[in-house]
Amino acid sequence: GESVGLHLPTLSVQEGDNSIINCAYSNSASDYFIWYKQESGKGPQFIIDIRSNMDKRQGQRVTVLLNKTVKHLSLQIAATQPGDSAVYFCAESPGGFKTIFGAGTRLFVKA
Amino acid sequence: GAVVSQHPSRVICKSGTSVKIECRSLDFQATTMFWYRQFPKKSLMLMATSNEGSKATYEQGVEKDKFLINHASLTLSTLTVTSAHPEDSSFYICSAREAGGTVIPHEQFFGPGTRLTVL
Repeated sequence: GESVGLHLPTLSVQEGDNSIINCAYSNSASDYFIWYKQESGKGPQFIIDIRSNMDKRQGQRVTVLLNKTVKHLSLQIAATQPGDSAVYFCAESPGGFKTIFGAGTRLFVKA
Repeated sequence: GAVVSQHPSRVICKSGTSVKIECRSLDFQATTMFWYRQFPKKSLMLMATSNEGSKATYEQGVEKDKFLINHASLTLSTLTVTSAHPEDSSFYICSAREAGGTVIPHEQFFGPGTRLTVL
């Protein structure tokens, strides 16, 4: 069935360093891939998305890379800040309708 | 803009009672709302898709008689957990898609979640 998973459950980085969070997906038919940030006790917050016909997209301090050959998605956060500490979920949207979430990676930023 | 609220934010109830959770789109109309469930340190699991004016579509394995969904207007969807038991304790999150206007097909706006504890 459809599934989206992550390689690393936790990631600890030094403030100011770059962070890379990885994700593997299995549904080749997904049209969109999305990264969400979730802080404790709150709903997910949209970070960035990428359409399946692209391989890279940049936002403010974040970059998403999509490798369809190996079904791999990554989120790069530049100059990681303490406020970036949260759980990050990759998600996919087959047909652009409903959203299926991956397992999540907790990011710890050390001051 | 694009704010989704949930009420209550936290609820504690006794086993066997029913609990209603509201999801509202505050500044836009939502033809479709989604209900998710999240266990501690786990991912969000899609429970059902709520469509305004029609029956909800439930994901495989989700009991529709247990989790009643009503999308009575373009700004309100409710999830009722009937005859709640301790295993229903979870974080319930809704999201909403704006009716017809977004250029991003998958775009959803998430609510802050409702923490349900069943004693």
